[in-house]
Amino acid sequence: EVQLVESGGGLVKPGGSLRLSCAASGFTFSNGWMNWVRQAPGKGLEWVGRIKSKTDGGTTDYAAPVKGRFTISRDDSRNTLYLQMNSLKIEDTAVYYCTRGGGFDSWGQGTLVTVSS
Amino acid sequence: DVVMTQSPLSLPVTLGQPASISCRSSQSLVYSDGNTYLNWFQQRPGQSPRRLIYKVSNRDSGVPDRFSGSGSGTDFTLKISRVEAEDVAVYYCVEVTHYTFGQGTKLEIK
Repeated sequence: EVQLVESGGGLVKPGGSLRLSCAASGFTFSNGWMNWVRQAPGKGLEWVGRIKSKTDGGTTDYAAPVKGRFTISRDDSRNTLYLQMNSLKIEDTAVYYCTRGGGFDSWGQGTLVTVSS
Repeated sequence: DVVMTQSPLSLPVTLGQPASISCRSSQSLVYSDGNTYLNWFQQRPGQSPRRLIYKVSNRDSGVPDRFSGSGSGTDFTLKISRVEAEDVAVYYCVEVTHYTFGQGTKLEIK
């Protein structure tokens, strides 16, 4: 059974940084493309970014609102996906989900990031 | 950029009756490989999203057969043949080559 467990959320001040983790199990993590998707309180879903598998180049892509501030990485030896968030803004407040594959076929439970002074 | 537009945004339905959600894209979603990467997700209150349908019309494992997806090009539809109480949720279409989500359609029981 595929399991994705996010962690690392919390309260941070505007301009601050936070690193989220997503621990994966139940599938061959190294073969999978992975994404981060977020959901602001009471709002819809917004794709944040994606990292390909190393065999597909390991490249990353980001949504315009986070490009240059957020970095996605992966540690295949630890079956873990990361989201490094810098220069955080109030509008980055959201539940952050990691999702598997190009088709988002599995989702974690999410971790809440609150950016507030 | 691809824009995905869902309608209606709110959908009150009587138990046992059918429901239909439309999703329209601003450009054709037929990819260069001939596939159309349009998926549907369900998000029940307080839960993570769950994929129901992939590539327009393929149901994911465990999804009841009362859910069906159809469409082509720029127009797509999610249908529920007979709504049950557990179907109360927000439904999203998403185009998974540009990762663009629709606004979501909130289904409630009338």
